[in-house]
Amino acid sequence: IAGITQAPTSQILAAGRRMTLRCTQDMRHNAMYWYRQDLGLGLRLIHYSNTAGTTGKGEVPDGYSVSRANTDDFPLTLASAVPSQTSVYFCASGTESGSYNEQFFGPGTRLTVL
Amino acid sequence: DQQVKQNSPSLSVQEGRISILNCDYTNSMFDYFLWYKKYPAEGPTFLISISSIKDKNEDGRFTVFLNKSAKHLSLHIVPSQPGDSAVYFCAASDSGTYKYIFGTGTRLKVLA
Repeated sequence: IAGITQAPTSQILAAGRRMTLRCTQDMRHNAMYWYRQDLGLGLRLIHYSNTAGTTGKGEVPDGYSVSRANTDDFPLTLASAVPSQTSVYFCASGTESGSYNEQFFGPGTRLTVL
Repeated sequence: DQQVKQNSPSLSVQEGRISILNCDYTNSMFDYFLWYKKYPAEGPTFLISISSIKDKNEDGRFTVFLNKSAKHLSLHIVPSQPGDSAVYFCAASDSGTYKYIFGTGTRLKVLA
């Protein structure tokens, strides 16, 4: 593994189903982030984690949950998917929390909720 | 309310000419700004950044200008190349949160 990986690459999901998007980084970055990208709205922060064991809410956290059990993994869970959660989801990591840092992005997961 | 705005959804430029991408922000607390480039089916990649103590930062063909009084920044690409064709996002952060707010993106097309 090099950098950030996300799985699955794409998924079609029935409304009401539970879904977990996986994100793993091998750069030992403290900070990790989840964004969604929607046409005309750019990238919006869903949740973030400054370090293992801590998480925080971003701009659009409703309907999503995250956990950070270790440094490398930062899964995003949709407990009961709705069509408005159809989007492209990007995971990112950064070298430090609490300071300016370049964020490294994964390749994205395209999710369609029907 | 969009705190970071990129008012031009798209821009076409001839190869070899200058590309100018603009970004406006409303929050005066923002003090660090980045530009990202995104190709289709890939994640965004970092391009260049600038802090509020500067008004210009240059890296090869890419230069970012910051006008704090106007709450405006711009990315200049000179000379533009076909490989620069991508979506460009600006992002802003303040030292209180270190979380970034992204603009909506501008799709640049460089014509050969």
